[in-house]
Amino acid sequence: KAGVTQTPRYLIKTRGQQVTLSCSPISGHRSVSWYQQTPGQGLQFLFEYFSETQRNKGNFPGRFSGRQFSNSRSEMNVSTLELGDSALYLCASSGHLNTEAFFGQGTRLTVV
Amino acid sequence: GENVEQHPSTLSVQEGDSAVIKCTYSDSASNYFPWYKQELGKGPQLIIDIRSNVGEKKDQRIAVTLNKTAKHFSLHITETQPEDSAVYFCAASSADKLIFGTGTRLQVFP
Repeated sequence: KAGVTQTPRYLIKTRGQQVTLSCSPISGHRSVSWYQQTPGQGLQFLFEYFSETQRNKGNFPGRFSGRQFSNSRSEMNVSTLELGDSALYLCASSGHLNTEAFFGQGTRLTVV
Repeated sequence: GENVEQHPSTLSVQEGDSAVIKCTYSDSASNYFPWYKQELGKGPQLIIDIRSNVGEKKDQRIAVTLNKTAKHFSLHITETQPEDSAVYFCAASSADKLIFGTGTRLQVFP
């Protein structure tokens, strides 16, 4: 069974640009969550999608958005990038609420 | 808001010794508590989890204990090996999401 796949693995963007990250969950998993990981703040919850609906959202500005497609693949978008958005962005997939969540390897975003 | 505190932030042990990492959560409705291990350049990997209807769970050298009354849960690693060196995160479920602790960097010296 393939794991969670995130693309791209690395990304360098300039301040003010926008970026789209992709996450393909484990086959059969309908829930996808996104997290931002930085050395100072740890793992911060961004949002969670289940069956194409956003069920929960963390405390991030509206520049951070996401969506989920009918095949459960998910994308997150960050607009008007700031230097502070540099982080490892992780997605996790799970089958149901409060069950095992499996993480991808992450996308390392660097904003210069 | 919901919060998970994790201690210690760093832990150094000799190979063969035990390591204990402790977490405290704030949301009394939390009922699922996973632990993750993250190695350099990789995403977090689920190593063990426990639900609120269980007090202890073991898997080979790893065990987790839960005290719901005190809102504490702990990870115990026995007979540590150099390959156990990594960052460990605890988490607690809260309103459809996982709240993570700030992580513990475990170093096991040969």
